[in-house]
Amino acid sequence: AQSVTQLDSQVPVFEEAPVELRCNYSSSVSVYLFWYVQYPNQGLQLLLKYLSGSTLVKGINGFEAEFNKSQTSFHLRKPSVHISDTAEYFCAVSVMNRDDKIIFGKGTRLHILP
Amino acid sequence: DAGVTQSPTHLIKTRGQQVTLRCSPKSGHDTVSWYQQALGQGPQFIFQYYEEEERQRGNFPDRFSGHQYPNYSSELNVNALLLGDSALYLCASSLDGRGSYGYTFGSGTRLTVV
Repeated sequence: AQSVTQLDSQVPVFEEAPVELRCNYSSSVSVYLFWYVQYPNQGLQLLLKYLSGSTLVKGINGFEAEFNKSQTSFHLRKPSVHISDTAEYFCAVSVMNRDDKIIFGKGTRLHILP
Repeated sequence: DAGVTQSPTHLIKTRGQQVTLRCSPKSGHDTVSWYQQALGQGPQFIFQYYEEEERQRGNFPDRFSGHQYPNYSSELNVNALLLGDSALYLCASSLDGRGSYGYTFGSGTRLTVV
C-alpha cells in the first residue's frame, strides 16, 4: 500500500522569504505524485504533479517541486511567499499506470508572517 | 466551464439520522470519488464510482454507500449518523479515474452531526 508523510504540520515563514514544505512517500511500485492547496472553506486545487520525465516540476502560483526517487521525497518550494499563499498544502500519491485512488497526507499549514 | 458542484454546502443532522450528499462532476469527466476530511486532517478516500459501479472502496463501514447516475452525477449516503461523521465531504471528478489526469475537487459539503 502507498502512504504519504508530511513532516511538518505547520510552517511559519515571513512574507517574501523562501519556503520548503516536506513530503515523503512510501510505495513498492512506481507512483504519480501531487501537491494540492486548500484555501479556507474551499475544496482542493491542484498545484502541480509529477508523472514522469524531469524531476523538477513547475506549478501554478510560482511553486515548484522536486522528485527524488532515492530519498522517496517530493518537497514543495517557493522562492518568495506572499500573504495570499496562506493555506493548507497536501502532498498526495497514486499508483502509476492504474486507475487507482489518490492518497493524501495529513497536510501542512503554511502561515505567512507580516 | 462548470467545475465540480456539490450540494448542499452545509448540513446539520442528528445522531441516528440519514443524509444524502450530491455531486455533479466537471464537464467531460466520468468518474467520481468521495473523500471525508475531518477537521485538521487530510482527505480520506471513501469510494470511487465509474460506469455506475463502485470501483474502489476505502476503509469505511457499510453505513456509507453511494450511487452514480447515467449522467455521471453521484450521491453519497450515510446511514445511522454518528458524531464522528462530522466532517467536510469532498467530491472529486476525473477522467476514467486515472490519477495521472489529476482530480478536480468541489468545495465540499460541511456535515455537522449533533
